[in-house]
Amino acid sequence: GIQVEQSPPDLILQEGANSTLRCNFSDSVNNLQWFHQNPWGQLINLFYIPSGTKQNGRLSATTVATERYSLLYISSSQTTDSGVYFCAVSRYNFNKFYFGSGTKLNVKP
Amino acid sequence: DTEVTQTPKHLVMGMTNKKSLKCEQHMGHRAMYWYKQKAKKPPELMFVYSYEKLSINESVPSRFSPECPNSSLLNLHLHALQPEDSALYLCASSQRLAGSSYEQYFGPGTRLTVT
Repeated sequence: GIQVEQSPPDLILQEGANSTLRCNFSDSVNNLQWFHQNPWGQLINLFYIPSGTKQNGRLSATTVATERYSLLYISSSQTTDSGVYFCAVSRYNFNKFYFGSGTKLNVKP
Repeated sequence: DTEVTQTPKHLVMGMTNKKSLKCEQHMGHRAMYWYKQKAKKPPELMFVYSYEKLSINESVPSRFSPECPNSSLLNLHLHALQPEDSALYLCASSQRLAGSSYEQYFGPGTRLTVT
């Protein structure tokens, strides 16, 4: 399988601060997604980003596939950004996704 | 529309009960997944269906029985569960299997408590 490591495991921010979450993976991938799991358990798609850079409002993500890592940037954090952020990857001939252990983010007002 | 629906939202069942979880998507996706998630852990894959056929069973105990009656529906039949089976059960779908370049979408989950 593919090993996926996320860092940091826990992050506490003051509202308005910026943060960077990291996802390292052990093999080449052609599928990489970032999810936000809210306190009610819903996993929300943030980015599909097997390579390159994307931006969506205050969030952006970059994947450097050749170096096997992806970064999720959160700017001007809000309390609604709290929750757990997961990275999930897969590759050709692998019929399942491999999840990292997540980064738990707590944004304080 | 990128919606996956799951029913029920909450379920409490005794160890001798039989119950079913239901998952539905109308995005034309041909791969569907069941995951189990315990508190403070990532989702753990249980089953994968591709074109209504079981593709992966991650050595799940037989008290969990999946069924894919058509391309839009996925069921998980539960029988003689144990208290340690209490968890959030998540359904997901993607246009094709995970190794292809398609996003996976999750339903809101069923929070199961076994008493």
